[in-house]
Amino acid sequence: QVRLKESGPRLVQPSQTLSVTCTVSGFSVTSYHVSWVRQPPGKGLEWVGAIWKGGSTDYNSALKSRLSISRDTSKNQVFLKMNSLQTDDTGTYYCAKHFKQLSGVMDAWGQGASVTVSS
Amino acid sequence: DIVMTQSPSSLAVSAGETVTINCKSSQSLLYSGNQKNYLAWYQQKPGQSPKLLIYWASTRQSGVPDRFIGSGSGTDFTLTISSVQAEDLAIYYCQQYYDTPYTFGAGTKLELK
Repeated sequence: QVRLKESGPRLVQPSQTLSVTCTVSGFSVTSYHVSWVRQPPGKGLEWVGAIWKGGSTDYNSALKSRLSISRDTSKNQVFLKMNSLQTDDTGTYYCAKHFKQLSGVMDAWGQGASVTVSS
Repeated sequence: DIVMTQSPSSLAVSAGETVTINCKSSQSLLYSGNQKNYLAWYQQKPGQSPKLLIYWASTRQSGVPDRFIGSGSGTDFTLTISSVQAEDLAIYYCQQYYDTPYTFGAGTKLELK
């Protein structure tokens, strides 16, 4: 059974760094692409970036300068790091698995990690 | 970046009605190499993660009821829900995967009349 679970701090201070971990089971991160998608409270979805199954990454250009996505294949985990956080980075951060045959379609999502940026 | 514009932003319906949600992209999502439209639809119920409904603009994901119908090509797409049920009340998003950054529409909230 495919499962993804995000974990990370619920509260981050402005200007600090957010670190969220996505732990997956039921599939290997070396066989499927994994994306991060975020959602501000009461708003829509924004693609943050992805780590492709080969290990390369692609980032939303609006966030690229602050963003890093990496993985630990031995633990089947994907990591999101975003620095210089501001209040408008508040929201739920989801990791999502891609369809093997379709690089941009996300067919399984985690429950999300709710993050508040506040002092 | 490809801009996705959804309409309406919200829709009040009665159970049993048929509803249509529109999605327009700022550039064509039809790839000439395979004649496929790189457009997906997701459903997000309150407090839940998004769920994939449709990809290739019209292919239902496994397990999705056949009352969900995707159509359209190029820059104009539609999600039709026939005979809406109470469990369909949610926010629906279109998403293009023609190019990164992948982008979503702002969402259409389906509410009970």
